[in-house]
Amino acid sequence: AQTVTQSQPEMSVQEAETVTLSCTYDTSESDYYLFWYKQPPSRQMILVIRQEAYKQQNATENRFSVNFQKAAKSFSLKISDSQLGDAAMYFCAYGKGGSEKLVFGKGTKLTVNP
Amino acid sequence: NAGVMQNPRHLVRRRGQEARLRCSPMKGHSHVYWYRQLPEEGLKFMVYLQKENIIDESGMPKERFSAEFPKEGPSILRIQQVVRGDSAAYFCASSPNEKLFFGSGTQLSVL
Repeated sequence: AQTVTQSQPEMSVQEAETVTLSCTYDTSESDYYLFWYKQPPSRQMILVIRQEAYKQQNATENRFSVNFQKAAKSFSLKISDSQLGDAAMYFCAYGKGGSEKLVFGKGTKLTVNP
Repeated sequence: NAGVMQNPRHLVRRRGQEARLRCSPMKGHSHVYWYRQLPEEGLKFMVYLQKENIIDESGMPKERFSAEFPKEGPSILRIQQVVRGDSAAYFCASSPNEKLFFGSGTQLSVL
C-alpha cells in the first residue's frame, strides 16, 4: 500500500525567509502524481502545487517550488519569501495515475514569525 | 463559478443520532469524493461516487456509514447511530481530471 510520510510535525520561519517542508512516499507504481495542499485555520484545503511523476522538471508556482527526487521517493516543498499568510498546515499527498483517491501525510504545521 | 459547497459547516449530534452531510460539486463535475480528517491527522479517503453509482467505497467503515449521489441534488454522507469516535472533519471534493477541489468541510461533533 502507498504511504506518505511527513517527518516534521512543526516548522517555523521568519517572514521573508525560505523554508523547506519534507515529504517521502512509498509506491511501486510508475504513473502517479504528488501534491502539496495548504490548510489554513479556515479548514479549506487549497492546492498549492502538483507534480507529475513522469516529469523530471520540478514544478513551480510563484513562491512555491518542489524538489522531486523520484529515485529517493522524496518530494519537498520550498516556500520562498515567506509571508504571514503562508502560516497553515501543509499536507503532502500521493495519487495513482488516473485516480483522485489520494493518500495524505499527517501534515506539517508552519508558523511564520514577523 | 461556485466551488464545492458543503453544509452544514458544523454539526452537533448526540450519541445514537443520525448525521447527514451534504455536498454539491463544482458545476460540471460529476465525480465526488468524501474524505475524513480525524484530529491531528491527514485526510483519509472514504468513498468515490459518480451520479447514481458508488465507484469505490474501500475507505468506508463497514457499518453505520453510507453515501449516495443521486441523479438530482447533492451527494449525501450518512452516519447512523453516531459514536464519539465519529467526531471529525468530513471533506467532499470534486474533480475534472486528477486535480481535486475541496469544499470547506463539515465538522461533526458527537456529544
